[in-house]
Amino acid sequence: GENVEQHPSTLSVQEGDSAVIKCTYSDSASNYFPWYKQELGKRPQLIIDIRSNVGEKKDQRIAVTLNKTAKHFSLHITETQPEDSAVYFCADPGYGGSQGNLIFGKGTKLSVKP
Amino acid sequence: DAGITQSPRYKITETGRQVTLMCHQTWSHSYMFWYRQDLGHGLRLIYYSAAADITDKGEVPDGYVVSRSKTENFPLTLESATRSQTSVYFCASSVQGSGNTIYFGEGSWLTVV
Repeated sequence: GENVEQHPSTLSVQEGDSAVIKCTYSDSASNYFPWYKQELGKRPQLIIDIRSNVGEKKDQRIAVTLNKTAKHFSLHITETQPEDSAVYFCADPGYGGSQGNLIFGKGTKLSVKP
Repeated sequence: DAGITQSPRYKITETGRQVTLMCHQTWSHSYMFWYRQDLGHGLRLIYYSAAADITDKGEVPDGYVVSRSKTENFPLTLESATRSQTSVYFCASSVQGSGNTIYFGEGSWLTVV
């Protein structure tokens, strides 16, 4: 079945540093790779996604890279700010299955220290 | 634009009672989902629905029942609540399934005592 592993589970950085979170997936048929951010006590929200026909996508200080050969994708946050502190989730729809079976990683708690 | 709303937002119930969590979306999205969130487990899919009258199991469906008689509503029922079902429950919707942006409701905090 579908499986997505996310690392690290916690990450602490100084304000201004970069943060990288990595997810490994198992279904070679997967072609959509989103990242969600969840602030404390709030709902998860999509921050960036990538499809398998591109290797990298950027949106201001965040970027996602995809390595289909190694079956992993990563979230990069540059020039981190305290408001980046949150839990970040990757997800894998695993198209070997159905259109509804979106499986999330276990999350990475990012703490940005001022 | 109400988006996706859940009710109740907070509930305490007793072991063995039936509980229904409601979810309503105003976007006419085809797909709807129910996730539970627990420390150390992230977001786990309970059930999802591709359209009215079409539902399917996710990772952790045991102890839960869903229905979708109308596109906009997707209630989740705990038939006989157990303490292990204490969790935060998120309803979500998407235009065309898991290959597109999923929009989450604000969550329902359920405590089973």
